[in-house]
Amino acid sequence: GAVVSQHPSWVICKSGTSVKIECRSLDFQATTMFWYRQFPKQSLMLMATSNEGSKATYEQGVEKDKFLINHASLTLSTLTVTSAHPEDSSFYICSATMSKSNTEAFFGQGTRLTVV
Amino acid sequence: DAKTTQPTSMDCAEGRAANLPCNHSTISGNEYVYWYRQIHSQGPQYIIHGLKNNETNEMASLIITEDRKSSTLILPHATLRDTAVYYCIVRPHTNAGKSTFGDGTTLTVKP
Repeated sequence: GAVVSQHPSWVICKSGTSVKIECRSLDFQATTMFWYRQFPKQSLMLMATSNEGSKATYEQGVEKDKFLINHASLTLSTLTVTSAHPEDSSFYICSATMSKSNTEAFFGQGTRLTVV
Repeated sequence: DAKTTQPTSMDCAEGRAANLPCNHSTISGNEYVYWYRQIHSQGPQYIIHGLKNNETNEMASLIITEDRKSSTLILPHATLRDTAVYYCIVRPHTNAGKSTFGDGTTLTVKP
């Protein structure tokens, strides 16, 4: 099956700093990538949809200036958490689809962000 | 996406079949039933999907009722590694990535 890889798998940063998370499709071109956030003992919540070469579409309540998304190529999307605070500590997960008509979404392994 | 209802948790003995139910009474005609699972601290893993016919693959079987208002995911011989949260999602066939995850069922496979 198609592989989606996230980097890093975990990161600890100081409050006020910015953190970049990468999501790569290793063996296919991803027309669209999706970013989710998951707090402990909760389900995944969609944050934004990222299309290659265009601005991301954010879900209601997600601050676009805080969570910067760049989808510069068909194999890479990045999520930057700017001025991170402890409440941003969470499990961030990306997924990718080959095209809008594809039946499967392939998920990365997730990135555990801890802000201290 | 149509709302789904799943039991919060289930236990299953190792080697036995695990049957995970999902209610989706408001499913639309163009919506498919998808199942994913999430092992602790990992990303979700696709298991299977179907529209109205029963489906089987190397991981599981999916049984959808004739009225499509409910379905059951069957893991035929559960192992300890199948312990995970199982999510039932109903959504249109297109735009696969924008899935709405509910709370899922925590399946615990016991020795």
